[in-house]
Amino acid sequence: EPEVTQTPSHQVTQMGQEVILRCVPISNHLYFYWYRQILGQKVEFLVSFYNNEISEKSEIFDDQFSVERPDGSNFTLKIRSTKLEDSAMYFCASSVYNEQFFGPGTRLTVL
Amino acid sequence: DQQVKQNSPSLSVQEGRISILNCDYTNSMFDYFLWYKKYPAEGPTFLISISSIKDKNEDGRFTVFLNKSAKHLSLHIVPSQPGDSAVYFCAASGGTYGGSQGNLIFGKGTKLSVKP
Repeated sequence: EPEVTQTPSHQVTQMGQEVILRCVPISNHLYFYWYRQILGQKVEFLVSFYNNEISEKSEIFDDQFSVERPDGSNFTLKIRSTKLEDSAMYFCASSVYNEQFFGPGTRLTVL
Repeated sequence: DQQVKQNSPSLSVQEGRISILNCDYTNSMFDYFLWYKKYPAEGPTFLISISSIKDKNEDGRFTVFLNKSAKHLSLHIVPSQPGDSAVYFCAASGGTYGGSQGNLIFGKGTKLSVKP
């Protein structure tokens, strides 16, 4: 069964460093998303991406964040200068219609 | 501002009995609702969904009921099995039915424990 994959599973970085989280969505899906879950809190929407551009973003997704689909398969989330409060699980999701399928997540720890 | 609320943080049920997980929402623009199951250190797994044009959707042991007037939905699991033990998230979308533009608004989750 096709699934969304994410790498790395765990990323540790120093505050102020740039990180790139990678996702491979399900191959025939057209819509791509990033969510995050801070420990003990809700899963929160960050950004959605369709037809090679951002279709919607939340207030969390500020200028420090960017997304890219550099080739036909990968979908990346870049955080330009990480802050302590960026520590969270980051989930990628993809969909054809309304059902979004999630990857296993990347745990980002900012020290 | 909790647009999607799951007021029970936990639920314990005996194996073989029915599990009922509840979810309330406040935004009348939501038109698609989903339930996800999540194990620790894994991503949410899609379980079942319902459009606002329906009031019930069934898939095997899982049934979702939607009461639009009360802005309430519930997930029924019958019969419950120990492998169902996980955190269950309710999510809502204002995306157009048949399209997928809508981001998902999640509830805080209910931890279900099914005891053998």
